[in-house]
Amino acid sequence: DAGVIQSPRHEVTEMGQEVTLRCKPISGHDYLFWYRQTMMRGLELLIYFNNNVPIDDSGMPEDRFSAKMPNASFSTLKIQPSEPRDSAVYFCASSLSQGQPQHFGDGTRLSIL
Amino acid sequence: DAKTTQPPSMDCAEGRAANLPCNHSTISGNEYVYWYRQIHSQGPQYIIHGLKNNETNEMASLIITEDRKSSTLILPHATLRDTAVYYCIVRVGDNFNKFYFGSGTKLNVKP
Repeated sequence: DAGVIQSPRHEVTEMGQEVTLRCKPISGHDYLFWYRQTMMRGLELLIYFNNNVPIDDSGMPEDRFSAKMPNASFSTLKIQPSEPRDSAVYFCASSLSQGQPQHFGDGTRLSIL
Repeated sequence: DAKTTQPPSMDCAEGRAANLPCNHSTISGNEYVYWYRQIHSQGPQYIIHGLKNNETNEMASLIITEDRKSSTLILPHATLRDTAVYYCIVRVGDNFNKFYFGSGTKLNVKP
């Protein structure tokens, strides 16, 4: 079975540009999660969806960040405008149902210059 | 919120058992304990989880104390490929979907 698929794997862009990260969850999984990982703060949950509906976005750092899940097989995390402090590895994960183990993608390494 | 405490690093000889401890003294009665690991530059990988009883799968064993305030992940025969950061996780508050990852334990498996 295919795991969680994220794209791109690496993104380098200049400050002020819009960045869009993409995620395809495991088929049949009802929950989708977006995380950010930095050396300073570790792995942080940004937002998660249940059946394509955002449930908890309390981890989203500010209004520059937005996430959507238009259907069960696709989600995006968008940063506009991007800033150097947004540089991090962004992970997407999915789980079958509430409380079940989350399965992670390989992440997008984002560098904002 | 239940949080976890893990040693920052541990060493283990290749072929020997690796025993990774975790304290979760504020865990609630219905909270599971999850273990994940993260190999450099990859996404976290699920290993095992448990509630009260000891659990075993093809990757590892999980031993949970009777009072549930601590647990130990056991890799029975560590290999160099098991070198990774291991996270012991409980949920955040009443939300079954929010995990607190913490800093984890860096396991160094040496030849």
